[in-house]
This record gives sequence, C-alpha cells and structure tokens, in this order.
Amino acid sequence: AQKVTQAQTEISVVEKEDVTLDCVYETRDTTYYLFWYKQPPSGELVFLIRRNSFDEQNEISGRYSWNFQKSTSSFNFTITASQVVDSAVYFCALILNTGGFKTIFGAGTRLFVKA
Amino acid sequence: DAGVIQSPRHEVTEMGQEVTLRCKPISGHNSLFWYRQTMMRGLELLIYFNNNVPIDDSGMPEDRFSAKMPNASFSTLKIQPSEPRDSAVYFCASRTQGSNTGELFFGEGSRLTVL
Repeated sequence: AQKVTQAQTEISVVEKEDVTLDCVYETRDTTYYLFWYKQPPSGELVFLIRRNSFDEQNEISGRYSWNFQKSTSSFNFTITASQVVDSAVYFCALILNTGGFKTIFGAGTRLFVKA
Repeated sequence: DAGVIQSPRHEVTEMGQEVTLRCKPISGHNSLFWYRQTMMRGLELLIYFNNNVPIDDSGMPEDRFSAKMPNASFSTLKIQPSEPRDSAVYFCASRTQGSNTGELFFGEGSRLTVL
C-alpha cells in the first residue's frame, strides 16, 4: 500500500526561526516521485518541488531546503529564517508508476509564523 | 497564461439540489483531476481523466457523484442530490502533456456549502 504521513498537524514558530516539516512515505515501488505543495490562506495549492526516487541529492531554493532520505523513507522540508508569509498548510505528496500515476497527498501540516 | 479555471468559486445550496462544478484545465494538459478537501479527510482524489477518458473513479464517494470530460478543455463534477456532508472545497487540477509524474496545477477551488 502507498501512503504519505505528515505527523505534525500544526506547528507554530516565531518569525526568523527555522522550522522543519516532516514527511514519511510508504511504498514497495522502487520508482516513485515526491512532491511538496503549499496552500496559503487564499486557498490555492502551489507546487514547490518534485523529486524522483533515484535522486537523493538535497536541494536548496532560497530559504527552502529539502532532505530526501530513502533509508528512512523521508522527504523533509525546512524553512530557514521563517517569515509571516510562510504561514500556510504544506502538503507532501507521492506518485507511483504503478497505480495509474495518481498523486497521493498527506494530511498536511499547518504552519503558523508569528511576527 | 491562464491557469486552471474553476466555477463557481462559491456555491450555497439546499439539501437535495443538484450541483454542477466546472473546470477548464490548462491548454495542452492531457490529465485532469478532481479532488475534495475537508478538515476531517484532507485532500481526497475523486476521479481523474487522461485524454478525456476516466482512468480511476474509485474515489467517487457514491452514485450521487458523477464526472464528465466531454473535450480536452472542459470537465464537470455533478452531485445529485446534494447532502450536507458534501460540503467541502472541490479542486480541479491538470497535468502537462506527456508527464505522468509531473506536478499538478490546481485551480482556486469551488467552495460548496449544502444546507
């Protein structure tokens, strides 16, 4: 079975703090793709990053960084020096080659960044 | 470029009424997805289409729900008759041609309230 678990329901931090959002996935497939999406208070879902299972290189984009570890089936997301505008719900997602290429979402983590 | 366009943005209706939600995917995208988002169940995939053909409708809750994609630029999700438990935000998303494992582009969602 394929599954994405985001154990943190809500996180609250003060501006300029670093924060890590956890994502653990389950699959027996060797080929799969992982994603992070952001849903700000306005409601739309915005794509942040895509990673395939053969590329474990970590990625940094500005204040955002992602740590992909196949050994622990995790794809964690860190925001450095958080800002109020980072307040949103963040979703981790998984696509398998089997199963018809459906995108399976985790439950999401709501991040509050206080000024 | 226009993104995924959904209408209506908000719908309030009474139990028993028919509801039709509409979606125009991004031009050139050949996969279209309908998701439902609630606080209790998060983001649930209802159905998705490839090249206008329904591929997986296992997420459609019951026979009251139906979805069509008569052409590459239009899809509808219909609920008949509607019930209060159908209240949710319904998202349409599309994916680019030839990329089964690519990111989804979401519309702004249709917020449905059934009284």
